[in-house]
Amino acid sequence: NAGVIQTPRHKVTGKGQEATLWCEPISGHSAVFWYRQTIVQGLEFLTYFRNQAPIDDSGMPKERFSAQMPNQSHSTLKIQSTQPQDSAVYLCASSSPGGETLYFGSGTRLTVL
Amino acid sequence: TQTVSQSDAHVTVFEGDSVELRCNYSYGGSIYLSWYIQHHGRGLQFLLKYYSGNPVVQGVNGFKAEFSKSDSSFHLRKASVHWSDSAVYFCAVRRNNNNAPRFGAGTKLSVKP
Repeated sequence: NAGVIQTPRHKVTGKGQEATLWCEPISGHSAVFWYRQTIVQGLEFLTYFRNQAPIDDSGMPKERFSAQMPNQSHSTLKIQSTQPQDSAVYLCASSSPGGETLYFGSGTRLTVL
Repeated sequence: TQTVSQSDAHVTVFEGDSVELRCNYSYGGSIYLSWYIQHHGRGLQFLLKYYSGNPVVQGVNGFKAEFSKSDSSFHLRKASVHWSDSAVYFCAVRRNNNNAPRFGAGTKLSVKP
């Protein structure tokens, strides 16, 4: 079991560019969560999928951010026109059907110059 | 909306000391409470959880937490800490499977030799 895999580990973009972050949940897990972590804001919830369907996206910024889960083996978080304030560590987690325990990936550190 | 508060940003103890990391939540209904640990540069790892039953729950590595409905608290404790326990500890609250867990700001535990 390789755990939750997030790629890339580090991404540097210029202001205004697009960034796509990838997450591969643990095989058999039906839920995927995205969080953003910064020193100032702490761990912020972004969005949550269950069985590939969006369940709760109340944490997603209304503009520029979107997330998808096209199949059970991966989810993507896309940020259009990145801004310096988007710089953060983006964490993905998955959980088993009916399970309460979240298993986190090591995160993608996004730096927007 | 469920919220969780961790009042101590930083706690420093010596190896062998006992420690209590505080967590208070605000939500009137039944909730899932959990604790996670994050070592530097890593994703979060599950420690323990509570939903119902015995208010004292045992976790990994000698950690335990006690739920108190009257105090709206779920404090984490360890009787004798080791230097390897140095990390950031997050408390999380979750209403149900249609919501994602929300995390507190975290408490950084530093264990001195």
